[in-house]
Amino acid sequence: NAGVTQTPKFQVLKTGQSMTLQCAQDMNHNSMYWYRQDPGMGLRLIYYSASEGTTDKGEVPNGYNVSRLNKREFSLRLESAAPSQTSVYFCASSGTGGRGRNEQFFGPGTRLTVL
Amino acid sequence: AQSVTQLGSHVSVSEGALVLLRCNYSSSVPPYLFWYVQYPNQGLQLLLKYTSAATLVKGINGFEAEFKKSETSFHLTKPSAHMSDAAEYFCAVSEMAGSARQLTFGSGTQLTVLP
Repeated sequence: NAGVTQTPKFQVLKTGQSMTLQCAQDMNHNSMYWYRQDPGMGLRLIYYSASEGTTDKGEVPNGYNVSRLNKREFSLRLESAAPSQTSVYFCASSGTGGRGRNEQFFGPGTRLTVL
Repeated sequence: AQSVTQLGSHVSVSEGALVLLRCNYSSSVPPYLFWYVQYPNQGLQLLLKYTSAATLVKGINGFEAEFKKSETSFHLTKPSAHMSDAAEYFCAVSEMAGSARQLTFGSGTQLTVLP
């Protein structure tokens, strides 16, 4: 099992450019998440998907859109990148049984720089 | 909403010394609590989790954490630090928000192990 995979690993954009970050999981998990990590701020939730066909905003959704393409894949799109979106982006997934006991499994991250 | 506070953004210990990383949470219901570790340029990996079965939880790599309801704490300890423990550590609490279980993370503690 590969777990959670993310592409690309690194990306440099110019202000105003768009891009899509890809995420896939092979653990048959219902829930998937996108976070951004900035120094001293921990991880902040951007969007999440409780199950295939649903998406919801997290703490910091402005400037982002998401698509839950199928049960395995959850993509994050920046329509018009801004320097404030320079960050490390993590995708995660979790099962939904266990009433909250289930941990989230994280991908290796995408390091994005917006110039 | 629940919150997590990690006291000390940077902690340094000598190799072989006790590691103590502090985490306090706020929650209106019995919480599910997690500790994750992040090695440089990698994603987050689960160290251990508290799911109300036992107050002393043992995790990987010799780490353990004790849930203390009266102190709303879930501090992480390891009796003897190893150079390979140098990493960033995140405490998180699980809560039901919106349509899915979400994790709220602390801001992280960077552990340095001195030779």
